[in-house]
Amino acid sequence: DTAVSQTPKYLVTQMGNDKSIKCEQNLGHDTMYWYKQDSKKFLKIMFSYNNKELIINETVPNRFSPKSPDKAHLNLHINSLELGDSAVYFCASSQEQGIGYGYTFGSGTRLTVV
Amino acid sequence: QKEVEQDPGPLSVPEGAIVSLNCTYSNSAFQYFMWYRQYSRKGPELLMYTYSSGNKEDGRFTAQVDKSSKYISLFIRDSQPSDSATYLCAMSASLYTGNQFYFGTGTSLTVIP
Repeated sequence: DTAVSQTPKYLVTQMGNDKSIKCEQNLGHDTMYWYKQDSKKFLKIMFSYNNKELIINETVPNRFSPKSPDKAHLNLHINSLELGDSAVYFCASSQEQGIGYGYTFGSGTRLTVV
Repeated sequence: QKEVEQDPGPLSVPEGAIVSLNCTYSNSAFQYFMWYRQYSRKGPELLMYTYSSGNKEDGRFTAQVDKSSKYISLFIRDSQPSDSATYLCAMSASLYTGNQFYFGTGTSLTVIP
């Protein structure tokens, strides 16, 4: 049973479109994250939610909007997609006080904007 | 300047070799250090976790932290083709929610049978 699942795995879309990526974790973790991994494999945090509350909101364009309907779900909505948004987006989760065990990552959503 | 620097490689070694992967960092507040392994088209998975300076061993893997030099290493003994992946270091100043981990760019490793 997948611990952190993201959908879709692949997303190809045109510039200017709006798209959403969904993430669900069944680990009972309190904190969820969105990371962006560029073509050079650099992982950078975008957002972090703890029990549905936004904790980290790094400098990302406001075209990106996270939504957490409950602590098991964290979705990412992207408006007016641009070529530079092409990347792999990873959802992750962790226990609030157990980050020592690290994050559990999903398998990623490969977004290509054409 | 990035918080964490990591040589991207690629690194190619014969099966059975000892592999050394390294990261340097600039933030002296970092205390928690991790190594992740990422297979192609998969999410990163946690390999090793260490706190502060010192060594930690887990099977064929040894993690070393030298806080005075701001340098961490991951050693893989008796490397196997299944070790072929990208290895990312990550570090943080705190375990508490709201403190993010900073990742290196990853080192691509290929172990040749």
